[in-house]
Amino acid sequence: EVQLVQSGAEVKKPGESLKISCKGSGYRFTAYWIAWVRQMPGKGLEWMGTIYPGDSDTRYCPSFQGQVTISVDNSISTAYLQWSSLKASDTAMYYCARQGGSGTLDYWGQGTLVTVSS
Amino acid sequence: DIQMTQSPSSLSASVGDRVTITCRASQGISNSLAWYQQQPGKAPRLLVYGASSLQSGVPSRFSGSGSGTDYTLTISSLQPEDFATYYCQHYSGTLIFTFGPGTKVDIK
Repeated sequence: EVQLVQSGAEVKKPGESLKISCKGSGYRFTAYWIAWVRQMPGKGLEWMGTIYPGDSDTRYCPSFQGQVTISVDNSISTAYLQWSSLKASDTAMYYCARQGGSGTLDYWGQGTLVTVSS
Repeated sequence: DIQMTQSPSSLSASVGDRVTITCRASQGISNSLAWYQQQPGKAPRLLVYGASSLQSGVPSRFSGSGSGTDYTLTISSLQPEDFATYYCQHYSGTLIFTFGPGTKVDIK
């Protein structure tokens, strides 16, 4: 069974750094792109970027380029999303999702809620 | 950049109703369109890909259609578990994903 399990909720202060994770199982992790999607409170879905674990090829949405970093550790089948300096506007639910053979996002993690507040 | 719009932004319907949601792209997208359902407090779920192909496990009351710039998601007979927000999404060959703003379906 394909599963993506994300790390738990985080509460941080503005200016702090953060790295959240997404662990894949039940499939060959290196063979499928992993995307990150943001959902701000009460708002819609926004694609942030995508990484191919096989060679770490990464694509970012222009709106998020330079704001976040996406990476992987294939030894533990885990993808990461990280910030070097959080802002209050980063408060949101973040989802990881696998890009399946059809090109769409066929399996999703449960989401990680990030709250940034002083 | 391709922009996606959806209509309506929300609708109220009753169990058993036929519901249609429309998604429009700012230019032709060659059926590179998916539909997702997001129930309150849950992660999104893929319903339809390639504009009209039903994802495995999705009930047959869901269907997708369209071409060019205009696409629709139809729920033939609304069930209680279908009250949710629905998003269309364009996916490009260069791995760019663009979501529509969503359509919230709630109980009349």
